[in-house]
Order: sequence, then C-alpha cells, then structure tokens
Amino acid sequence: EAQVTQNPRYLITVTGKKLTVTCSQNMNHEYMSWYRQDPGLGLRQIYYSMNVEVTDKGDVPEGYKVSRKEKRNFPLILESPSPNQTSLYFCASSLVREAAYGYTFGSGTRLTVV
Amino acid sequence: AQKVTQAQTEISVVEKEDVTLDCVYETRDTTYYLFWYKQPPSGELVFLIRRNSFDEQNEISGRYSWNFQKSTSSFNFTITASQVVDSAVYFCALSYGGSNYKLTFGKGTLLTVNP
Repeated sequence: EAQVTQNPRYLITVTGKKLTVTCSQNMNHEYMSWYRQDPGLGLRQIYYSMNVEVTDKGDVPEGYKVSRKEKRNFPLILESPSPNQTSLYFCASSLVREAAYGYTFGSGTRLTVV
Repeated sequence: AQKVTQAQTEISVVEKEDVTLDCVYETRDTTYYLFWYKQPPSGELVFLIRRNSFDEQNEISGRYSWNFQKSTSSFNFTITASQVVDSAVYFCALSYGGSNYKLTFGKGTLLTVNP
C-alpha cells in the first residue's frame, strides 16, 4: 500500500531532550516536507526536500533540523525541544512533477513538550 | 506572498442542511493550484479536491461541490444535505511552482453537524 509512515504517533517528552520523528514513504517520491499544525494557525511548513541531500527551510524552521540521506526517509530532529514546539506534525511527500497535484500526508505525530 | 483566508472559524448546522465553507486566496502567480482537505477528529488529513488556475469549471462529487471564481479569488466548498460524518475541520490551501509547491493553508473551518 502506498503510504507515508510517521513514528511515533504520540510522544510526550521533557524540555531539552533531543528527539527524532521519523518519516518514511514507499512511493519513490522525490519531494518531502514537514508541516506543523497549531490551533488558530493552520498548517505551516517547517522544512522541505526536493531530493536526496537537498533540503531547504520552510516558514517556521527555527528549532528543527532535517536530513535526507535516502530518498524514502526524511526525519525531523528537535535538538533541544521546548514547550512551544508542542504541536501536531505532518510529513508529506510527492513526485516533484506532481507536487502541484498535492501531497500524500502521513497520519501525524502529536508531540507534547513539558 | 500568497495567503489563504477562511473567515469562518466555526460553523454549526443541523443534519440535512446545506452548508458552504468560504475560501479566499491571494497570489501574484498566474499559475497556481487550490486544494481542500478534510481533517476528521481522528486527525489525519484527507484530500478532497485540487483545482488549477486555468480550470474554472465547478465540480460536483456526490454531496460535495466546489465553486471556483477567479474574479473574486474564491474557491468555496458546499456540502449538500450534510451528515454527522461531515463533522470535521476543513482546510483550503494554495500552492504554486514559485513557492516550490509549498502548501499555504488557511486556518481552517470547524464544521459541526448536529443530529
């Protein structure tokens, strides 16, 4: 089944403890992206990647890192999480030539930083 | 810069009523793409429709219909004969090539359909 898989689905952590949210897709998509969703703000792009080893900042990159060493994986790294990073996170992917057609989204990761 | 405005934060209707969700967008690009997504209480994002800027035909899919008007920069979504299962947050979104196809989302409209 074609899908984007995020793990974990739920995570509660403490301030400053490094964490990684994994994202993997099985559709051979070049384009991958991370969004965060916050009440009243909608979804905002954190980082995106057009292909392996090609990443760039979105609208709200502060406090996050990403890497794209393999085409299928695009982990989101929080080196020192803070409570303002408590949010619902979505990973998304697409073929570059079809990015205009929209993305396949993962099921989301609900992160709470205390 | 591109922007999507969903002025209706929350809408509450009774089952079988028709309801329209408004979406107004701003972009300087002549080629762009508009989307609607549904987010049910379970949290996932469900793709509903995509429209490109050159296709102003309205679309109907079952009880759902979409009205795209470039003259007013609007892409409104109507649910006919609403059902309880339609209760969700609905997001309108915009992308274009110059933004590396980043989706710019509106803030969403929470639709509650009461029995």
